Amino acid sequence: EIVLTQSPGTLSLSPGERATLSCRASQSVSSNYFAWYQQKYGQAPRLLIYGTSNRATGIPDRFSGSGSTTDFTLTISRLEPEDFAVYYCQHYGGSPPWTFGQGTKVEIK
Amino acid sequence: EVQLVESGGDLVQPGGSLRLSCVVSGFIFSDFSMNWVRQAPGKGLEWISYISSTSSDIFYADAVKGRFTISRDNAKNSLFLQMHSLRVEDTAVYYCARDNAYLSFDYWGQGSLVTVSS
Repeated sequence: EIVLTQSPGTLSLSPGERATLSCRASQSVSSNYFAWYQQKYGQAPRLLIYGTSNRATGIPDRFSGSGSTTDFTLTISRLEPEDFAVYYCQHYGGSPPWTFGQGTKVEIK
Repeated sequence: EVQLVESGGDLVQPGGSLRLSCVVSGFIFSDFSMNWVRQAPGKGLEWISYISSTSSDIFYADAVKGRFTISRDNAKNSLFLQMHSLRVEDTAVYYCARDNAYLSFDYWGQGSLVTVSS
């Protein structure tokens, strides 16, 4: 099973600042099958990024993804009030289980 | 508009059984694989099961293998999760999620709460 470790656990930032979230895999994963999700309190997760760097439908361009092999990054260029939430990375495709990271909480400083 | 609506969550005693349903609309259900993902209170996301569009491929996480059964009825646009031998640690919100292959889990339901407690 591939273990995904996200860092930091909590990111305290102000609106307008840049957020950089990391996800490290315990073994190499295909960049074609790596995603990021946003989850707000009491809501279902929402797909942000798929295939490492492709924004899902309706996702603003302040969200971007990058990385390869074992190290992946989600960047939010300028935080908007609605961006304060928990973010999860995920690998999918190939053989299951398809695991998620433990999450990074982006909170208002 | 794509919609996924789960139902069937409830309070059940340890060792009990429960069946979750997920009814979808807004897309051709029979074209897509589906997943169940759960989230324990205050915890992260955990993938637990997958079923292909024709039910030919089915996978489970080790935590539920042998106790949970995923199935679907394409004629009724419905996905199911039959859960047996429930444990306290199965307490979670259970989400159904559409599997769009390269596009990953692109649509999710609102979740159904399963509480296992005596």
